[in-house]
Amino acid sequence: EDQVTQSPEALRLQEGESSSLNCSYTVSGLRGLFWYRQDPGKGPEFLFTLYSAGEEKEKERLKATLTKKESFLHITAPKPEDSATYLCAVMGSWGKLQFGAGTQVVVTP
Amino acid sequence: DARVTQTPRHKVTEMGQEVTMRCQPILGHNTVFWYRQTMMQGLELLAYFRNRAPLDDSGMPKDRFSAEMPDATLATLKIQPSEPRDSAVYFCASGLGGGANSYEQYFGPGTRLTVT
Repeated sequence: EDQVTQSPEALRLQEGESSSLNCSYTVSGLRGLFWYRQDPGKGPEFLFTLYSAGEEKEKERLKATLTKKESFLHITAPKPEDSATYLCAVMGSWGKLQFGAGTQVVVTP
Repeated sequence: DARVTQTPRHKVTEMGQEVTMRCQPILGHNTVFWYRQTMMQGLELLAYFRNRAPLDDSGMPKDRFSAEMPDATLATLKIQPSEPRDSAVYFCASGLGGGANSYEQYFGPGTRLTVT
């Protein structure tokens, strides 16, 4: 069974204080690893897809990386508007997304 | 600005009543997913369709939940009868199946269901 574990559960950062979120996974036949951002009262917003170990993708202050067992979401010099819950999900050979519980990030001015 | 739409956004109902949630996927997307989100369980896949055909509904309680796609622009999720434990946020997502970036899913704003 596909499993996704995210850490930490919650992260409080000062504006400008860079940090990383971890997503460790076990999956049969990885088709893709996905990062989403979710704001309170809204649906998850797609950020990145990573398909193979060694792949990296960037968007503004966010950078996602992938190894065979985990993915990291690096937040560089965060701003208060980066406050959100970040969700990691994997899709294996069954073709279904398995989500982690998320990391709640709060960035204070 | 293409996006998934869901109605209603909020629903409060009494136990035993029927609830119907609707979703309009992004035009051109051929895969539609229904998820449920709770604090305890997080995001769980209930069912999904490709080209309007149901591919998997193993995440749904079969005795009370049903999902359909009457046409390519409408997906429905019905609960009958509803129970307090069904209280959650229900999300619809859509994506392209089989093409480039075929596994990316785009979520709607959700329907917040409260069953009293």
